[in-house]
Amino acid sequence: QLVLTQSPSASASLGASVKLTCTLSSGHSSYAIAWHQQQSQKGPRFLMKVNSDGSHSRGGGIPDRFSGSSSGAERYLIISSLQSEDEADYYCQTWGAGIWVFGEGTKLTVL
Amino acid sequence: QVQLVESGGGVVQPGRSLRLSCVVSGFTFSSYAVHWVRQAPGKGLEWVAVMSYDGSKIYYADSVKGRFTISRDNSKNTLYLQMNSLRVEDTAVYYCAKDHEGGTFDYWGQGTLVTVSS
Repeated sequence: QLVLTQSPSASASLGASVKLTCTLSSGHSSYAIAWHQQQSQKGPRFLMKVNSDGSHSRGGGIPDRFSGSSSGAERYLIISSLQSEDEADYYCQTWGAGIWVFGEGTKLTVL
Repeated sequence: QVQLVESGGGVVQPGRSLRLSCVVSGFTFSSYAVHWVRQAPGKGLEWVAVMSYDGSKIYYADSVKGRFTISRDNSKNTLYLQMNSLRVEDTAVYYCAKDHEGGTFDYWGQGTLVTVSS
C-alpha cells in the first residue's frame, strides 16, 4: 500500500534553515514525490517535485530558498533563510497506478 | 496567468446531490488532465478524482467511487464533479488542480466549501 509519512509538526527560527521529511512506504522507495505548501486559510501551492535521485524541479515563482533532496525512501524539503510567510502546512504527495496519495502534513512554525 | 476557479459549493442534506464546477484559464485546458482534491475542516488533503485531457481515463478514490462522477467540457474550459448520495463525511473544501507530468498538481484553485448537514 502506497503511504507517505510526515511528522505532524516542526519549528525553526526566523532566518534559520529547516528540513522536513516525507517517508515512502516499503516497496516504494523509487517513487518521486511533490511538496505543496498551504498557508492559513489559503489553497495549496505547488513547491517542487523531488525524484528518487534527489534531483528536483521547482514550480513557477518558487524561490531557490526552497530545495529538495532524497535518501532511500526519504524525501526532504529544505527551506533556508526562513521567513515569517513560510509558516504553513507542508504536504508531500505521490502517485501510482490510478491513485494519488498525500501525507498527513507537517505544520511548520517559524519562531 | 493560470487560474482555476471553483464554484457550486453550499449546504446540502445527507443523501442529496450537488454539482461543482471549475473554470480554468491561462493554459490549454484540452491538453491536460485535471483533478479534484478535498480537505475536510481541520484535516489534510485527500485526492478525489482525475480525468485525462480527453476524458478517456478516469480514476476515483475508493471513498467516492460509485457516488461521484467527474466530467469535463473542453469547449467551455470547465471541469465538473457531480456528487450524489452525499454523506456528512463529504463535508470539505473541494479544490480543482491541474495535472503536472502525470503525477502531481502544479496549479490549484481557491476551493469551494461543501457542507453536508441535516
